[in-house]
Amino acid sequence: DVKVTQSSRYLVKRTGEKVFLECVQDMDHENMFWYRQDPGLGLRLIYFSYDVKMKEKGDIPEGYSVSREKKERFSLILESASTNQTSMYLCASSLGLAIPYNEQFFGPGTRLTVL
Amino acid sequence: GDSVTQMEGPVTLSEEAFLTINCTYTATGYPSLFWYVQYPGEGLQLLLKATKADDKGSNKGFEATYRKETTSFHLEKGSVQVSDSAVYFCAFMDSNYQLIWGAGTKLIIKP
Repeated sequence: DVKVTQSSRYLVKRTGEKVFLECVQDMDHENMFWYRQDPGLGLRLIYFSYDVKMKEKGDIPEGYSVSREKKERFSLILESASTNQTSMYLCASSLGLAIPYNEQFFGPGTRLTVL
Repeated sequence: GDSVTQMEGPVTLSEEAFLTINCTYTATGYPSLFWYVQYPGEGLQLLLKATKADDKGSNKGFEATYRKETTSFHLEKGSVQVSDSAVYFCAFMDSNYQLIWGAGTKLIIKP
């Protein structure tokens, strides 16, 4: 089974802090994704990566950056956390982008609260 | 632009009731369609999918049929259980290989 793990389930940070969210997948997937999930808004894509050291902006990249130094690890960085970044953050991975490899597998999520 | 519209929740049903969660989409072309489920305290997992018109995806008693003419992908189950209580998300893959998500529908099943 594919396993996607995220470094923390719950995180509380203060405004202005630098925050790192880590995601690791164990199935040699090419693609990795970071979403945020907010009530009534569904999932919104922040960034994704289709290869090591490659990244693409999603729909809401402002205030975030990412790093993918190794294939299995994809980090989301909040350079200076703000209260409007309080959210559930979900990491996902997929083997490929085209059918039938495009199923995304999700981690359990990190609920981040910025005070 | 591309979007997904699904029923607002919460949807509350009694055990063994029939379930329908409506989903319609706006997209160019004929995208792959998905239903994901998020059980309490867990990450999202794929429930079912369909890749072309008239395809029926099915899993765990749930079904959804890709209706090109109505751009819909409604989720149905004939007899729900308490364990089906979760949040259900409809999504499709756009031409840039990105998933476009609905807002989610919370389902509550009472014994």
